[in-house]
Amino acid sequence: AQTVTQSQPEMSVQEAETVTLSCTYDTSENNYYLFWYKQPPSRQMILVIRQEAYKQQNATENRFSVNFQKAAKSFSLKISDSQLGDTAMYFCAFMKHGANQAGTALIFGKGTTLSVSS
Amino acid sequence: DTEVTQTPKHLVMGMTNKKSLKCEQHMGHRAMYWYKQKAKKPPELMFVYSYEKLSINESVPSRFSPECPNSSLLNLHLHALQPEDSALYLCASSQVRDRAGNTIYFGEGSWLTVV
Repeated sequence: AQTVTQSQPEMSVQEAETVTLSCTYDTSENNYYLFWYKQPPSRQMILVIRQEAYKQQNATENRFSVNFQKAAKSFSLKISDSQLGDTAMYFCAFMKHGANQAGTALIFGKGTTLSVSS
Repeated sequence: DTEVTQTPKHLVMGMTNKKSLKCEQHMGHRAMYWYKQKAKKPPELMFVYSYEKLSINESVPSRFSPECPNSSLLNLHLHALQPEDSALYLCASSQVRDRAGNTIYFGEGSWLTVV
């Protein structure tokens, strides 16, 4: 069975600073996908970034980037130039490759609450 | 703007009421999901529909009844709920076969309170 662990329940950062959120996972699969979702107080779960396990290059999306270490089963999210709007709960999630029957869906970590202050 | 639309955004119902949550997507996705989320917790999968057929039921009590009338719509019928069923209910959709790993897109959620 796959598990996803986020070891930081809460984190704080000042505007314009950089922060890294940690995520580790456990799987025996070789092909899979990893995601970071953001859920602000408005409640909507928003996709931040995704990574295919077969790709060695780390995914980036503007101020968001990941450090994907497949051997270590680590998938951290770096937020550069933090903004007040980044305040949210961040979930790391795992999906098996080949879950194209839409049966496996996502396995979520417990989340990290990030607060960005001015 | 979300492309998965949920109504209503808030619902208060008594334990003897019958109500429904509705979800609509126009992204051409053929998989749709219901998740339940308690405060400060990750979402928990309830149901998955693939090509309008129920493919996963995560042992959800029968007081929750899903329905997928067509590829764009997903309903969750509620009857005889308990106060512990109060939660945020998230609808989501995805492609069934997608090179990008079936990325799942969520709606804004319907906040349900059972009194």
